[in-house]
Amino acid sequence: QKEVEQNSGPLSVPEGAIASLNCTYSDRGSQSFFWYRQYSGKSPELIMFIYSNGDKEDGRFTAQLNKASQYVSLLIRDSQPSDSATYLCAVKGITGGGNKLTFGTGTQLKVEL
Amino acid sequence: DTAVSQTPKYLVTQMGNDKSIKCEQNLGHDTMYWYKQDSKKFLKIMFSYNNKELIINETVPNRFSPKSPDKAHLNLHINSLELGDSAVYFCASSQVRANEQFFGPGTRLTVL
Repeated sequence: QKEVEQNSGPLSVPEGAIASLNCTYSDRGSQSFFWYRQYSGKSPELIMFIYSNGDKEDGRFTAQLNKASQYVSLLIRDSQPSDSATYLCAVKGITGGGNKLTFGTGTQLKVEL
Repeated sequence: DTAVSQTPKYLVTQMGNDKSIKCEQNLGHDTMYWYKQDSKKFLKIMFSYNNKELIINETVPNRFSPKSPDKAHLNLHINSLELGDSAVYFCASSQVRANEQFFGPGTRLTVL
């Protein structure tokens, strides 16, 4: 079982729709959870992080965490073509002095006109 | 510009050669990282240094040796390069235990 699992996609959504990206993790000791966006040929950049159960909203982005189900999701409202990228879920526990990020393989999102 | 920078951006070399990748950050961070991203886009931590001290050392062949001369620099030396080493290598930095890691632009290594 992979430590962090994501569907590779591609996930295709029409412009203006809600894109829902999902992630599960295996380590119940995980403490904080991250969503990074990576455009093709570029480096990952942090969109959001969450560490408490529930929802966290930032603009068009909402991160959702359910520790009991070991599940993290990212909702993108009013999807734009510029949101087309690979979205990487990452998890941090206590290993590496609390600095180690474990990434999933990413979900490719395509927002179509 | 404040950033994480890496050199070179592209590196093409023959099997068996030794090569180095350099990373510098001017963000004032105390922790730096090396990641490897394979052809399937899987991003995996290799090493991390905090104030020049190695704090993360994943299962990486000992042909890979990181060196941190100071907390603003973390270099990666690779001996006896193999085909499977072909990947994009990202350097990153953060404050220790901070939520955000800032990634450099990546070095695309191709071993022929």
